[in-house]
Amino acid sequence: AQSVTQLGSHVSVSEGALVLLRCNYSSSVPPYLFWYVQYPNQGLQLLLKYTTGATLVKGINGFEAEFKKSETSFHLTKPSAHMSDAAEYFCAVSEASNTGKLIFGQGTTLQVKP
Amino acid sequence: GAVVSQHPSWVICKSGTSVKIECRSLDFQATTMFWYRQFPKQSLMLMATSNEGSKATYEQGVEKDKFLINHASLTLSTLTVTSAHPEDSSFYICSARGVGEQYFGPGTRLTVT
Repeated sequence: AQSVTQLGSHVSVSEGALVLLRCNYSSSVPPYLFWYVQYPNQGLQLLLKYTTGATLVKGINGFEAEFKKSETSFHLTKPSAHMSDAAEYFCAVSEASNTGKLIFGQGTTLQVKP
Repeated sequence: GAVVSQHPSWVICKSGTSVKIECRSLDFQATTMFWYRQFPKQSLMLMATSNEGSKATYEQGVEKDKFLINHASLTLSTLTVTSAHPEDSSFYICSARGVGEQYFGPGTRLTVT
C-alpha cells in the first residue's frame, strides 16, 4: 500500500524567505509523485510531478522538488516566498503504472508574512 | 490547460433528500474520473474511480448505495448523494483523466441541514 506523510501541518515564512515543505512517501512499487496547491474553496492545481528521469523537478511559480529514493522523500522548495504563495499544499503519490489513483498527504498550510 | 467543471459549486439540502453533483471535462475526453471528499482543514480522500461505461470502483468504507456514481459519457460523471445526512456535509472534488494528465474540478460544497 502507498502512503504519504507531510511533516508540518502549518509552515510560516516571511516574504522573500526560503520555502521548504516536506513530504515522505511509502510505496512498494516505483512511485509517481506530485505536489498540488489549493486555494480556499477551490480545486487543486498541479505544481509539479516526478515520473521518471531527472530527480530534480521544476514546476510552476518558481517551485521545485527533488526525488530522493534513498530517503523516500519529495520535498518542495521555493527560494523566495511571495504573498501569493499562501495556500494549502498537498503531496500525492500514485503507482508508476499511472492508474491515476492518487493518495494524498495530510496537507501543509503555508502562511507568508509580510 | 484542460478544464474540468463541477455543478453546482455549492448546494444546501435538507436531511433525507438526494443531491446530484456533475463533473464535466470541457475540452477533452475523460476515460477515467475520480471523486474525492475533503473535510474542513483535511486532506482529500478518494471515494471512487469511474470509467466511462462501466460501474464505479469504490474505496473501502465508502457506501456505494449512498454515493451513486454514473459515468455515462466521456465528458460527464455524476455523483448522487442519496438520503443525505448532516455528516455528509463536505467538499466534493472530482478529477478527470484523459490521455496523460489528471485535472481537478473546482469542487462542490455540500451542506446538509
